[in-house]
Amino acid sequence: DAGVIQSPRHEVTEMGQEVTLRCKPISGHDYLFWYRQTMMRGLELLIYFNNNVPIDDSGMPEDRFSAKMPNASFSTLKIQPSEPRDSAVYFCASSLMGVVRETQYFGPGTRLLVL
Amino acid sequence: AQTVTQSQPEMSVQEAETVTLSCTYDTSESDYYLFWYKQPPSRQMILVIRQEAYKQQNATENRFSVNFQKAAKSFSLKISDSQLGDAAMYFCAYRSATSGGSNYKLTFGKGTLLTVNP
Repeated sequence: DAGVIQSPRHEVTEMGQEVTLRCKPISGHDYLFWYRQTMMRGLELLIYFNNNVPIDDSGMPEDRFSAKMPNASFSTLKIQPSEPRDSAVYFCASSLMGVVRETQYFGPGTRLLVL
Repeated sequence: AQTVTQSQPEMSVQEAETVTLSCTYDTSESDYYLFWYKQPPSRQMILVIRQEAYKQQNATENRFSVNFQKAAKSFSLKISDSQLGDAAMYFCAYRSATSGGSNYKLTFGKGTLLTVNP
């Protein structure tokens, strides 16, 4: 089974541009998470979904960030407009709750650089 | 709120030797999960090992084992017979076992960078 798939793997953009990050969770998983990793703040949760419904978006830094999950196999994280301080690695993870391991499996991440 | 502390920013070990990475956490909950994730230079987050708080037996996965001390809120990772491929950043993480709200999120420590010397 393929793991969590993220695209693009690297993104370089200029301040003010719109950025869209994409994620395909592991088939059958019912939870999807978006994390951000920076040197200053480490790994932090931005938002997570259960059965395509956003459950907790308290980690979304501000209105410039939005996330959607239109179906069970696809999610996007959008930044508009982007700023240099958004430069980070963005991870998507998925899990299947209620089973023994309840582990979150991470995608390879998207490294974003905003100039 | 739960917090996870990794007090060793960097560690090094000789190939084939054993190393222990420390992790402590703070929580008022009695049921939770603890994880160790490995992040090599590729930046992929890879699950190393998992422990359920209600289990007294320490988890093991091949050369990786944990020392889970619930009363002390300590969760250390032991790597035996270290290999060059074990070189990575290691993150300790906590997740509540309570359902609902933000309880499903992982709370991570700052990480420990492990170097393996040949």
